Amino acid sequence: AQTVTQSQPEMSVQEAETVTLSCTYDTSENNYYLFWYKQPPSRQMILVIRQEAYKQQNATENRFSVNFQKAAKSFSLKISDSQLGDTAMYFCAFSQNSGGSNYKLTFGKGTLLTVNP
Amino acid sequence: GAGVSQSPSNKVTEKGKDVELRCDPISGHTALYWYRQRLGQGLEFLIYFQGNSAPDKSGLPSDRFSAERTGESVSTLTIQRTQQEDSAVYLCASSLYYGYTFGSGTRLTVV
Repeated sequence: AQTVTQSQPEMSVQEAETVTLSCTYDTSENNYYLFWYKQPPSRQMILVIRQEAYKQQNATENRFSVNFQKAAKSFSLKISDSQLGDTAMYFCAFSQNSGGSNYKLTFGKGTLLTVNP
Repeated sequence: GAGVSQSPSNKVTEKGKDVELRCDPISGHTALYWYRQRLGQGLEFLIYFQGNSAPDKSGLPSDRFSAERTGESVSTLTIQRTQQEDSAVYLCASSLYYGYTFGSGTRLTVV
């Protein structure tokens, strides 16, 4: 079974600074997908960034980038130029094709990020 | 619709009562997922629908939990004889492939 571990329950950063959230996972599969989701108080899960395991290049989306280390099974999220609106819970998630088109997600417990003015 | 819609947004029920939670996925999304999020925790997978069938029900925690989907559209998650440990946010997501769109969830409180 796959597991996802986020070892930082809470983090804080000053506005405009950079912060890195950690995530490790465990799987015996070779092909899979990794995600970072943001959950603001509205509860809706918002996709921040996605990485396919077969791609060696780290994914980037504007101020968000990942450091994907496949051998180490590590998938950290870097947020540059932090903004007040980045304050939220961040979840790391793992998915593989579980049969047919079943891409169910396994989530970590989350990191509460607070951006301070 | 433009997004995944869930209703009700909040539900308070007495222990032992049955509840139904509704999910309206994005039109055309064939895959639909239900997840449970307990306070301070990540999401736990409950059930996956492909069309109207549910090939993966492995996350349903007990036989008090059931779900159905009609017409490749609306899905209903039913919890019978609710218990206090069922208190959580129940999130629904729909997908064409591995890209999900989540709803805002139903917060269920069992008193």
